Amino acid sequence: QVQLVESGGGVVQPGGSLRLSCAASGFTFSSYGMHWVRQAPGKGLEWVAFIRYDGSNKYYADSVKGRFTISRDNSKNTLYLQMNSLRAEDTAVYYCAKDGYSYDYWGQGTLVTVSS
Amino acid sequence: SSELTQDPAVSVALGQTVRITCQGDSLRSYYASWYQQKPGQAPVLVIYGKNNRPSGIPDRFSGSSSGNTASLTITGAQAEDEADYYCNSRDSSGNPSWVFGGGTKLTVL
Repeated sequence: QVQLVESGGGVVQPGGSLRLSCAASGFTFSSYGMHWVRQAPGKGLEWVAFIRYDGSNKYYADSVKGRFTISRDNSKNTLYLQMNSLRAEDTAVYYCAKDGYSYDYWGQGTLVTVSS
Repeated sequence: SSELTQDPAVSVALGQTVRITCQGDSLRSYYASWYQQKPGQAPVLVIYGKNNRPSGIPDRFSGSSSGNTASLTITGAQAEDEADYYCNSRDSSGNPSWVFGGGTKLTVL
């Protein structure tokens, strides 16, 4: 069965960096685009970034453009999100999601807290 | 970027039918997908495309669309349907991006 497992969340100071990972299994990872979606505490869902199946194209929400970088290693079935220049408003649960029929599978999420 | 607008809260009596709506310009070009999220859990896809349900989603969930409005209908709402519901579509403006509605809290009375 499809499994997506995020890791790498934690507490970081404003201006700091963090790298999230999403380990995928149960499907041919190299055949699907992948998304990162976040949810601030008590708030709604916000799309963050998308990467095509082969990493050839990457797209970002305006709120993270220039600070976050999405990447993937198809040999390791792993998706990444490098987050730099973190701000308090980046505090959220970050989910990775498979791009099949829309976001057809989601991980359980990893919490990122940006605080001094 | 485009926006998708949802009513913040909707309620329905047990066993009755409820419609949750989502409005936005992008819906004139792209179908909405719908996600159910229960407290402390990841979202779950319930409707995608014109009106498609992933495996395991009960057939009481259905979707429709007209103009700039997409709707999720639950026919015969059950207690376990109480959750937040989010619509989502591709953004029709500028570079490829995606947008979520603000979410609708469904209460089953």
